[in-house]
Amino acid sequence: GENVEQHPSTLSVQEGDSAVIKCTYSDSASNYFPWYKQELGKRPQLIIDIRSNVGEKKDQRIAVTLNKTAKHFSLHITETQPEDSAVYFCAATPYGGATNKLIFGTGTLLAVQP
Amino acid sequence: KAGVTQTPRYLIKTRGQQVTLSCSPISGHRSVSWYQQTPGQGLQFLFEYFSETQRNKGNFPGRFSGRQFSNSRSEMNVSTLELGDSALYLCASAQDNSYEQYFGPGTRLTVT
Repeated sequence: GENVEQHPSTLSVQEGDSAVIKCTYSDSASNYFPWYKQELGKRPQLIIDIRSNVGEKKDQRIAVTLNKTAKHFSLHITETQPEDSAVYFCAATPYGGATNKLIFGTGTLLAVQP
Repeated sequence: KAGVTQTPRYLIKTRGQQVTLSCSPISGHRSVSWYQQTPGQGLQFLFEYFSETQRNKGNFPGRFSGRQFSNSRSEMNVSTLELGDSALYLCASAQDNSYEQYFGPGTRLTVT
């Protein structure tokens, strides 16, 4: 069935260090993989996404990589800052068809220690 | 453009009652999806509407229903509320032919 696994569930880093969050998806037809950041009491915010025809995408300090063969994708945050502290969710669209349905991972609580 | 809005923001209901939540998408967005967020189950897909038609449905009981109006605004209804329905209900909208979804602030439902 449709499933997205996300690791780790919590991650603590020192300010300035890098953080990596990894996700694995089950549906080989999935073709869109967004990452959302959710601060406490706020809505999930789309921070970066990648399509299945691309292996890597970068936006300033954040990057996402996709390995279609292994069915996993990762979020990389470099030079972390205290304001990066939040819960991060990965997601995937199943089927590869005309749908905006997202299957979410269980989230990673990132704490950046100043 | 104004973002996705949801009303009400907070709601307290009693077990057995029913509730209707509303979502107004970003102007021009015709796709609206609903998600339930709980600490135990995370973010779970409820249903998706596009151009007044339900395009997809998640694995929730029939007590959960929704609809979309011609102006793309969407409502979801939960009948015969149970304690386990307490959650943050989020809606998200997207443009045609785009996977990028933008979330509203959510409605925090508490069932007592």
